[in-house]
Amino acid sequence: SQQGEEDPQALSIQEGENATMNCSYKTSINNLQWYRQNSGRGLVHLILIRSNEREKHSGRLRVTLDTSKKSSSLLITASRAADTASYFCATENNNDMRFGAGTRLTVKP
Amino acid sequence: KAGVTQTPRYLIKTRGQQVTLSCSPISGHRSVSWYQQTPGQGLQFLFEYFSETQRNKGNFPGRFSGRQFSNSRSEMNVSTLELGDSALYLCASRPGQGWETQYFGPGTRLLVL
Repeated sequence: SQQGEEDPQALSIQEGENATMNCSYKTSINNLQWYRQNSGRGLVHLILIRSNEREKHSGRLRVTLDTSKKSSSLLITASRAADTASYFCATENNNDMRFGAGTRLTVKP
Repeated sequence: KAGVTQTPRYLIKTRGQQVTLSCSPISGHRSVSWYQQTPGQGLQFLFEYFSETQRNKGNFPGRFSGRQFSNSRSEMNVSTLELGDSALYLCASRPGQGWETQYFGPGTRLLVL
């Protein structure tokens, strides 16, 4: 069964704009991870944020985690057409990893 | 290091048959996890193996089984295939101490007719 729920399910923006995706979950976690998937291929890891961390950055990506609200957000700044993909959050609790349904991001050139 | 490899990449089977999928993890990784991805159910966790032992199991029927060899390579088997088993099967590896990034293979796309 899935743990996380991404919001929105789909997002369409223009190149250069920022994209924000949210993830909510239900149980306690050790860490939360964000992944990207292009058209039915394997997943690519983006960022891992531990339960005792509140924010992490990696290039144009910024992830926040609010364990009191059981939610996380992924911000992609200055988006590019190549960022078009599905984005998934995954929560991990004691080696048990569960993925959300994903957000489909389309970046128009 | 070479990435996670999965074989075969594509497979067509008929209902009632069985299938075995293979996953070779990144060298040095001892944990291998399997996932099923379908448009309707999304990414669902099947099971995780660590040092040849199943460490976690998702909510799938007993027709889905797996194993891990001493070299950390893993196989998953689906017996008595059903149409609903058509999916992309992904495996992922990581060192295995927990709380780590998973590295995914390209997946095996299974079509059951």
